[in-house]
Amino acid sequence: GEDVEQSLFLSVREGDSSVINCTYTDSSSTYLYWYKQEPGAGLQLLTYIFSNMDMKQDQRLTVLLNKKDKHLSLRIADTQTGDSAIYFCAERGNAGKSTFGDGTTLTVKP
Amino acid sequence: EPEVTQTPSHQVTQMGQEVILRCVPISNHLYFYWYRQILGQKVEFLVSFYNNEISEKSEIFDDQFSVERPDGSNFTLKIRSTKLEDSAMYFCASIPQGNTEAFFGQGTRLTVV
Repeated sequence: GEDVEQSLFLSVREGDSSVINCTYTDSSSTYLYWYKQEPGAGLQLLTYIFSNMDMKQDQRLTVLLNKKDKHLSLRIADTQTGDSAIYFCAERGNAGKSTFGDGTTLTVKP
Repeated sequence: EPEVTQTPSHQVTQMGQEVILRCVPISNHLYFYWYRQILGQKVEFLVSFYNNEISEKSEIFDDQFSVERPDGSNFTLKIRSTKLEDSAMYFCASIPQGNTEAFFGQGTRLTVV
């Protein structure tokens, strides 16, 4: 079945860039998503990219997609303490359901 | 901006009791989903619903679970006889025609005691 892998933890200093990586196995993935989850809260959609795109930029967020390697990354520029959260990568194929990674806990140190 | 709403935000129930989790998807969306997230774990797919029937379900979605869209606006998840391991956050999601981005609700935290 489909699988999505992420590294579990990332720690950066305030003002640095954060890069969160994700790999997936489903070659029929249509959409790839990044969600942010703060403690006890729901899933906040940060951004998504179509599988026929290589890059998408949205303010401080840059998503890079290497479809050949099935690798997705999320770069957060000028990381702030408010960016501390769990970030989930998810892919969605034509079947419609989303498959999530385990989540990367981002800790931003002042 | 339209959003998926879920009620209640938190429900505590005794083991063996039935619970119904409610969701109001975004109007004119066509595809509906339930996911769950056990504390500290990943978000897992439970079931998808399209054209008034289940289109796909996971191994987790056994006979204790059922879904309904009773009135064209609400989308419910029923757990007939709750177990301790059903304690989790349950997320509803909907997708519009054109099958683009998935919109998630804020979740219902279910605690089975």
